[in-house]
Amino acid sequence: NAGVTQTPKFQVLKTGQSMTLQCAQDMNHNSMYWYRQDPGMGLRLIYYSASEGTTDKGEVPNGYNVSRLNKREFSLRLESAAPSQTSVYFCASRRQGDYGYTFGSGTRLTVV
Amino acid sequence: GDSVTQMEGPVTLSEEAFLTINCTYTATGYPSLFWYVQYPGEGLQLLLKATKADDKGSNKGFEATYRKETTSFHLEKGSVQVSDSAVYFCALSEDGGGSNYKLTFGKGTLLTVNP
Repeated sequence: NAGVTQTPKFQVLKTGQSMTLQCAQDMNHNSMYWYRQDPGMGLRLIYYSASEGTTDKGEVPNGYNVSRLNKREFSLRLESAAPSQTSVYFCASRRQGDYGYTFGSGTRLTVV
Repeated sequence: GDSVTQMEGPVTLSEEAFLTINCTYTATGYPSLFWYVQYPGEGLQLLLKATKADDKGSNKGFEATYRKETTSFHLEKGSVQVSDSAVYFCALSEDGGGSNYKLTFGKGTLLTVNP
């Protein structure tokens, strides 16, 4: 099915380990986003990419890096994971001029 | 900065009851307003939107009216079903679809509808 695909769906890391969360969309959307969802906090924007070749910080960028590899793919990297990064991570995309996001199904990350 | 405040949950209703979930916002400009819904184990889906004052967004029996004078966008449904059980998020964006468009979300309200 067309949409936003995130991998992996679940991951457990030890403190200090690194990993990359992958996100790909097949809708030819220009903009892509990474959010984290925490209980009682709603969704908070980590980074976004308005178009291929550009990235910008969101509300909570510390401890993360991103790469807009091409128009389809937008990855999120944790260089040295911390327990505070335990969360559910959502990738989303949007076509230029549209109001709605299309969300992936999320990656549940636990850092122990 | 922009912010969205929505009523604390959880909200528990019986089937066919009337639903209201309150949402108010703070924005420097003239935002567009949204309600998203998240079913268990899934990502968020756009439920409805309104882009100017007095607009009414509607979808699947849900409605919300953009009230600029009270900076509110309350979600309502006349008769809820068990299948409406989900988390509901109010959100805003100040950029009308342009390149700097990004959504600011409220904390979410969990709705449980019992048969």
